[in-house]
Order: sequence, then C-alpha cells, then structure tokens
Amino acid sequence: ELKVEQNPLFLSMQEGKNYTIYCNYSTTSDRLYWYRQDPGKSLESLFVLLSNGAVKQEGRLMASLDTKARLSTLHITAAVHDLSATYFCAVGDTGNQFYFGTGTSLTVIP
Amino acid sequence: DAGVIQSPRHEVTEMGQEVTLRCKPISGHNSLFWYRQTMMRGLELLIYFNNNVPIDDSGMPEDRFSAKMPNASFSTLKIQPSEPRDSAVYFCASSIRTVQETQYFGPGTRLLVL
Repeated sequence: ELKVEQNPLFLSMQEGKNYTIYCNYSTTSDRLYWYRQDPGKSLESLFVLLSNGAVKQEGRLMASLDTKARLSTLHITAAVHDLSATYFCAVGDTGNQFYFGTGTSLTVIP
Repeated sequence: DAGVIQSPRHEVTEMGQEVTLRCKPISGHNSLFWYRQTMMRGLELLIYFNNNVPIDDSGMPEDRFSAKMPNASFSTLKIQPSEPRDSAVYFCASSIRTVQETQYFGPGTRLLVL
C-alpha cells in the first residue's frame, strides 16, 4: 500500500511569515495533487504536479515536486488569515488506488 | 456547472438501520469516487467507478457497504445494517476520465449512527 505522509500535522504561524509543508510518499508516482479543506467544508483542488521538477504557484502558495526524492512541498509566503485551512497532498499509485496524506492543519494568527 | 451534488447533507440514524447516500457527478465526468473521512483514519477511498463500472472496491470496509452506479449521472452508497463506527463524512468526487486526474469533490454527507 502506498503511504503518504505529511508534516507537520499542525502548524500555527503568524501573519506575514513563510513556511513549508512537506509531503512524502512511498512509491513511484509522477502525479501529485494538493487540496485545501476549510473546516466543515469539502475539498478544493489547488495544484496538480505532473512531472519531476514541476512548480506551480497561485497567490501566496507555491507547490513543487521531486519524484526522485518522492517529495512535494507546499510553500506559504507571507501568510494571511484566509489561508487557515487543512491542506492535503494526494498521490495515485500505478493501479487504481488514490491516497491522501494525513493533512496539515494550518492556523494563521494575526 | 452545479458541481458534484450529494444528498442528504446530514443523516442521523439508529444502529441497525439502512442508510443510502446519493451522488450526482459533474456532467461529462467518467469517473466517480466515494470517500470516507474520519478523524482517526483520515480520507479513505472506498470505491472507484469508471464509465459506471466498479473498478476498485478494495477500500470498502466490509460487506455491510455496497455501492452502485446505474447510470452516468447517479450513484449510491448503501450501508446495511449501519453501526456507530460508520459515523463519518462521506464524500463523492468525480473526474473527467480516470483516478489519475483532478477529482472534484461534493459537499459531503455527515452521517451519525447512534
């Protein structure tokens, strides 16, 4: 079974600061997804990373993928309160299974 | 587009009762997924349909759970009999072609089994 681990699980950061969330996965995959979930809400797709070295940016969020290291990062620049949410990475295996990471609960403090 | 539609949004039932959750995927999407989210186990893929055919149901927890997709615009997830440990949020998602593409999630059904 493919394992997807995120760290940290909980992150409390001040507005204006930078931080990085890490996503490690245990087997070969060339696609990685980042989702956001607000409390009590559904999941919203943020990024799809399709190849080694892929980098995508949207506003204060930037995601990257290193397939050789089986690692993706979600970098937050100058955090604002609106970014408070739980962030999930997700990976599909070579078959038909799709695995979500444990999630990182981000709280941005004024 | 209306997005993925799920009903009911909330369900409270007693142990032993049958529960049926419903999902309408985004029009034109060929793949449909049922997930369960709990604090203890996170997000788990239960079953994946492609072109209305179940492709992988290895995540279905036990025989009490069953899922159907009679046509491209409708799917059900049934729990019979329900147990308190089935309490969770159940999400339906759809993608254009396969499991390897971006999935669009519905609002979820919050199930509480007493």
